[in-house]
Amino acid sequence: DAGITQSPRHKVTETGTPVTLRCHQTENHRYMYWYRQDPGHGLRLIHYSYGVKDTDKGEVSDGYSVSRSKTEDFLLTLESATSSQTSVYFCAISGGGRYTEAFFGQGTRLTVV
Amino acid sequence: GESVGLHLPTLSVQEGDNSIINCAYSNSASDYFIWYKQESGKGPQFIIDIRSNMDKRQGQRVTVLLNKTVKHLSLQIAATQPGDSAVYFCAENMRGSGGGADGLTFGKGTHLIIQP
Repeated sequence: DAGITQSPRHKVTETGTPVTLRCHQTENHRYMYWYRQDPGHGLRLIHYSYGVKDTDKGEVSDGYSVSRSKTEDFLLTLESATSSQTSVYFCAISGGGRYTEAFFGQGTRLTVV
Repeated sequence: GESVGLHLPTLSVQEGDNSIINCAYSNSASDYFIWYKQESGKGPQFIIDIRSNMDKRQGQRVTVLLNKTVKHLSLQIAATQPGDSAVYFCAENMRGSGGGADGLTFGKGTHLIIQP
């Protein structure tokens, strides 16, 4: 799995609570990404990082924030979880460059009740 | 709507037969394409990629064909095995400049079912 660890793997939380998902890589890749996967929508990019402290928004960034203080860690935070954020979240990494594939972690299943 | 899509949501094939999974894209500026395989409960796994300066690329038991004229991409799996059961989806990179994979757009996927 390309040296990517996501934690937790499963989480149930209540509406309105903050939630942080962690992605840890051992590949020393420059780029890291957070996606969500929902039935009928495929994978959608939430935020990505192109270096320590360098992040940018993706297609569905509203309600999410990220931080990257070290090359190996990329955190995704839901400041106040909503039921619409119930999803499977995937972290991915890539080495950068125009023609580069992304390698994915195993995912975190988040349920907001 | 999605610029990357698949023609069939489910494909059922006999074990040992060849499988062909299709994907359409709409952006003529896309110049890099990837096929991923996703097994139940797991993350997407890279299978094969192709750049737009190529029409065909082969891997182990898999071949990707790119038809830029009709903006069509296909994944052929030879001698399908039970372990090939998964959702397969394509991705295209529409970004015109360098950088990472943030320009990747993913299709919704085709569920490949292997009949014994």
